[in-house]
Amino acid sequence: EVQLVESGGALVQPGGSLRLSCVASGFTFSSYWMTWVRQAPGKGLEWVANIKQDGSQRYYVDSVKGRFTISRDNAQNSLYLQMNSLRVEDTAVFYCARGRGSAVAGLSNFDYWGQGTLVTVSS
Amino acid sequence: QSALTQPPSASGSPGQSVTISCTGTSSDVGGYNYVSWYQQHPGKAPKLMIYEVTKRPSGVPDRFSGSKSGNTASLTVSGLQAEDEADYYCSSYAGSNNLLFGGGTKLTVL
Repeated sequence: EVQLVESGGALVQPGGSLRLSCVASGFTFSSYWMTWVRQAPGKGLEWVANIKQDGSQRYYVDSVKGRFTISRDNAQNSLYLQMNSLRVEDTAVFYCARGRGSAVAGLSNFDYWGQGTLVTVSS
Repeated sequence: QSALTQPPSASGSPGQSVTISCTGTSSDVGGYNYVSWYQQHPGKAPKLMIYEVTKRPSGVPDRFSGSKSGNTASLTVSGLQAEDEADYYCSSYAGSNNLLFGGGTKLTVL
């Protein structure tokens, strides 16, 4: 059974940092593009970042470029999101998701999602 | 780039059909056949319902179907059931390694 389990969400002050983790099981993690998607409270979904199977390609939504870094450790079946210079508007539930295919940098669709982890940025 | 445009709400009675639209531009919905639809129940993670405009993942009922015309994609739910009540989001590849989501549509089963 495919499982994605996020952790690391917390309350953090504006300007602070946080590292999210996502542990994968039930599939060959190293064979898939992986993605972070966020959802602000009561709002819609927003793609944040994705990373290629071997970590050689990474892409970000404009609003987080230079502040967030996506990474992965295939030996540990883990995906990460390092978030720096956090802003109030970054408050959201962050989901990790598996890219269903490799077309268009794994952004064609996401077939498995974690349960999400809540990041709250507030003073 | 702006989010794709979806109606905030849609509704139908059990057994009826309802269609949710997702409007973009020629740079996203109209330019690629990489439109997906996700169902999200309150407090739950999104679930993939349709991918590549018309394809259904294994396990998704055939009551769910997708289509596209020009810059607008659509999700049709036929034979509405109570458990179909949820939020639905479309997404589209938007070129240059970017992905856009729609604002979401709350589907109510009357």
